[in-house]
Amino acid sequence: DAGVIQSPRHEVTEMGQEVTLRCKPISGHNSLFWYRQTMMRGLELLIYFNNNVPIDDSGMPEDRFSAKMPNASFSTLKIQPSEPRDSAVYFCASSPSGGYGYTFGSGTRLTVV
Amino acid sequence: GENVEQHPSTLSVQEGDSAVIKCTYSDSASNYFPWYKQELGKGPQLIIDIRSNVGEKKDQRIAVTLNKTAKHFSLHITETQPEDSAVYFCAATPNLSGSARQLTFGSGTQLTVLP
Repeated sequence: DAGVIQSPRHEVTEMGQEVTLRCKPISGHNSLFWYRQTMMRGLELLIYFNNNVPIDDSGMPEDRFSAKMPNASFSTLKIQPSEPRDSAVYFCASSPSGGYGYTFGSGTRLTVV
Repeated sequence: GENVEQHPSTLSVQEGDSAVIKCTYSDSASNYFPWYKQELGKGPQLIIDIRSNVGEKKDQRIAVTLNKTAKHFSLHITETQPEDSAVYFCAATPNLSGSARQLTFGSGTQLTVLP
């Protein structure tokens, strides 16, 4: 298995632009998680899905952030409009039923200038 | 909700020595405790985990211990090598029957193994 695949690996965008991050979970995993990592706040859970349904989005910072999971093999995290304080590394992770064995992707480093 | 505290934030050891990282959790319902290693520019990788029905688990040079009464768990790395240098995260989660496990992470420990 190729693991959790995220794209792009790096994204540099101007303030105000829309940013879309993509994730392909491990086949057969039914839970998907979006995390944000910064030096100040560490790893923060933004939102997670179970069987493609959003379960808890209480970690989404504000309405500028949205996430979708249209099918079991694809999820997106969108920021619109982006702001410099959104600069961080965004990770996607997936886990099988039961929750053991969370697997992270390699992350997307977002820089908003 | 769960709160996980991790210490120390930085740790330097000589190659060949042992390293110990400690975490405490707040939710007595937590029953799964994984440890992750994050190398520079990469995502966290699961290195070992322990469930609440055991007190210790070992995998070659790494081991994890769990004290449910005191609500703390520790990662032990023996015979450290330079490639062990990374950030290590502990995590805890309760069992969410029929749903996903939401991990709560510690703040991380930067381990440096000096040659």
